[in-house]
Amino acid sequence: SQWGEENLQALSIQEGEDVTMNCSYKTYTTVVHWYRQDSGRGPALIILIRSNEREKRSGRLRATLDTSSQSSSLSITAAQCEDTAVYFCATRTGGYKVVFGSGTRLLVSP
Amino acid sequence: AQTIHQWPVAEIKAVGSPLSLGCTIKGKSSPNLYWYWQATGGTLQQLFYSITVGQVESVVQLNLSASRPKDDQFILSTEKLLLSHSGFYLCAWSTSNERLFFGHGTKLSVL
Repeated sequence: SQWGEENLQALSIQEGEDVTMNCSYKTYTTVVHWYRQDSGRGPALIILIRSNEREKRSGRLRATLDTSSQSSSLSITAAQCEDTAVYFCATRTGGYKVVFGSGTRLLVSP
Repeated sequence: AQTIHQWPVAEIKAVGSPLSLGCTIKGKSSPNLYWYWQATGGTLQQLFYSITVGQVESVVQLNLSASRPKDDQFILSTEKLLLSHSGFYLCAWSTSNERLFFGHGTKLSVL
């Protein structure tokens, strides 16, 4: 799982496998954002899930949100080499403060 | 379409020297603007945000300052760089407190 100031986690899988990344957050939020960051680039939003949605799908991506445990997950089905990137969850902690999790570095090998 | 441009792409600076990084957003009126810092292999740490021209709020103290001289421009600066300032600086914009749109970032190496 990822949060705050912990170091990046690393996951290494083979192409075609499924993978799940977890995120826990400390402050009440109504939406969790998941960003993907390619090497040397800025992060880009890939999926967001709101508190009234327990699950959200977008293509091979699936996000879940459990507000009672303050946790979210991002799953990728049948991962491909191009899914290799760093993935962050992010939440707004109040006003204009957006806190990013520690991130997961995903490596998908052929 | 909105575009965000950061400059420079990379900088190599000496400890104790000044720094100025910039960010321009085109195609969006009155965006909320953000500066983030990212250590190599680390997460994104929010530094500043601004919701209007001339107003900047600090989130963490890292001996850096920020200014918003125009609606579409956000500047990050310091008069004296530290080794710990090395990293990747990212500017972002948003509207209505939703998703952040990031620039390509500036890689800073302080030697």
